[in-house]
Amino acid sequence: QVQLVQSGAEVKKPGSSVKVSCTASGDTFGSHSVNWVRQAPGQGLEWMGGIVPVFGTRSYAHQFRDRVTLTADEATGTAYMEMSSLKFEDTAIYFCARGGEWDLPRRPFDYWGQGTLVTVSS
Amino acid sequence: DIQMTQSPSSLSASVGDRVTITCRASQTIGTFLNWYQQKPGKAPNLLIYETSTLQSGVPSRFSGSGSGTDFTLTISGLQPDDFAIYYCQQSYSTLFTFGGGTRVE
Repeated sequence: QVQLVQSGAEVKKPGSSVKVSCTASGDTFGSHSVNWVRQAPGQGLEWMGGIVPVFGTRSYAHQFRDRVTLTADEATGTAYMEMSSLKFEDTAIYFCARGGEWDLPRRPFDYWGQGTLVTVSS
Repeated sequence: DIQMTQSPSSLSASVGDRVTITCRASQTIGTFLNWYQQKPGKAPNLLIYETSTLQSGVPSRFSGSGSGTDFTLTISGLQPDDFAIYYCQQSYSTLFTFGGGTRVE
């Protein structure tokens, strides 16, 4: 049974950066993608980007391309999402989610982390 | 990017009701349409993938249909545990996008 465990809540100042981790408990990610999804307070789900840790290949949603960097340590089964130049409106819960294997990229997100609340406040 | 539009944004229903939620894509996505359920304070949970395939463990009262641009999630016999927000997601393009959500209350 795959479990994705995310790092704890963060409070950051505007203009700073945050780095959130997502660890596959009990296993690595294999050849699956790891995706990041944002949910602002009271709002819907927004896909930010994804990475296939075993290959290091990445894709980003247009609106996050300039400020988000996805990385992964395949050996430890940990993926990271770093966002820079934080704004008040980046206050949200950030989820990681496992997607399909590298040769099945259209598969859904079947396992999700518990979410990490990032609060941007002065 | 492919835009996903869900309707309605919210609906009121009672236990035992048949509930239908629709999702429309801005371009054809074949059958690469997934549905998720989210409860307050929790991560989304995959219900249905590729339009109509139930994820393991999902009750058979949930069903999905459609193709191309128009899709439907149906709950046949709403149960107390089903009051939640439902999201569609297209995975035809790997620039994944979600619908805005439908709150079932």
